Amino acid sequence: DAKTTQPTSMDCAEGRAANLPCNHSTISGNEYVYWYRQIHSQGPQYIIHGLKNNETNEMASLIITEDRKSSTLILPHATLRDTAVYYCIVSQGGSQGNLIFGKGTKLSVKP
Amino acid sequence: DSGVTQTPKHLITATGQRVTLRCSPRSGDLSVYWYQQSLDQGLQFLIQYYNGEERAKGNILERFSAQQFPDLHSELNLSSLELGDSALYFCASSVAPSGRPGDTQYFGPGTRLTVL
Repeated sequence: DAKTTQPTSMDCAEGRAANLPCNHSTISGNEYVYWYRQIHSQGPQYIIHGLKNNETNEMASLIITEDRKSSTLILPHATLRDTAVYYCIVSQGGSQGNLIFGKGTKLSVKP
Repeated sequence: DSGVTQTPKHLITATGQRVTLRCSPRSGDLSVYWYQQSLDQGLQFLIQYYNGEERAKGNILERFSAQQFPDLHSELNLSSLELGDSALYFCASSVAPSGRPGDTQYFGPGTRLTVL
C-alpha cells in the first residue's frame, strides 16, 4: 500500500500557482519524498524529490514540513500542459527502491 | 524525453499467446525496473534488474519473466496471455541498484498491450 495520502482531484487557474499537498505521517528518517506526474497515458515524469530541506528546480518547488509528515509540491505558474495526475511517493531508494504509486491527485488547470 | 526507450509502442495479440517487450535504459543507467499499469490496479512494480542480475521482485505473475542483457537492455516476456493482462507496461531506469539514497527512476513511454 502507498504510504502517502493525497486529495483525489484539484483545480487550478492557468497562470496561478498550483499547490499540491501530500501527507506521509509514517515516513522514516531515511526515506525521501518523490513527486512524479503522468500526463494522460504517458510514462510517469520525474519532477522533484527531497529528504528534509525544501527543494527547487526548473519545474517545481517542494516544501517539506519540519516534522517531515507532510509536503507540498508547488507549480509556480500552472499552464494547461500541467494538467496531469501527480503522485507523491515515499521511498528510501534502498533495496526496496521500487516506487509504490498510490492514486495520486488529478490536477486540472483551467483557462 | 527521459532517454528511456521502449518498443513496441502498441501490441495487439490473442489470449494464450506470448509477447516480448523491450526496454533500453538511459545511457549510464545500470538498473531497469518494470511496471504494469492497468485501469483497475494503477501503477504496480513488477521486477527490477541491476547490471544483469535480478534485484527485486514485486507483483509479477509466474507467467511473466524478465532479463537484462550485457548491453543493459531488458526484455519482459509475457506468456499464456489472458484478457486481464491488457495494460500499459512501463520500463524505468536509474543509475544505481537502488541502494543509493535518493536515486531517481526515469520512465519510458510505455508499451500498450491489448489482449483480445
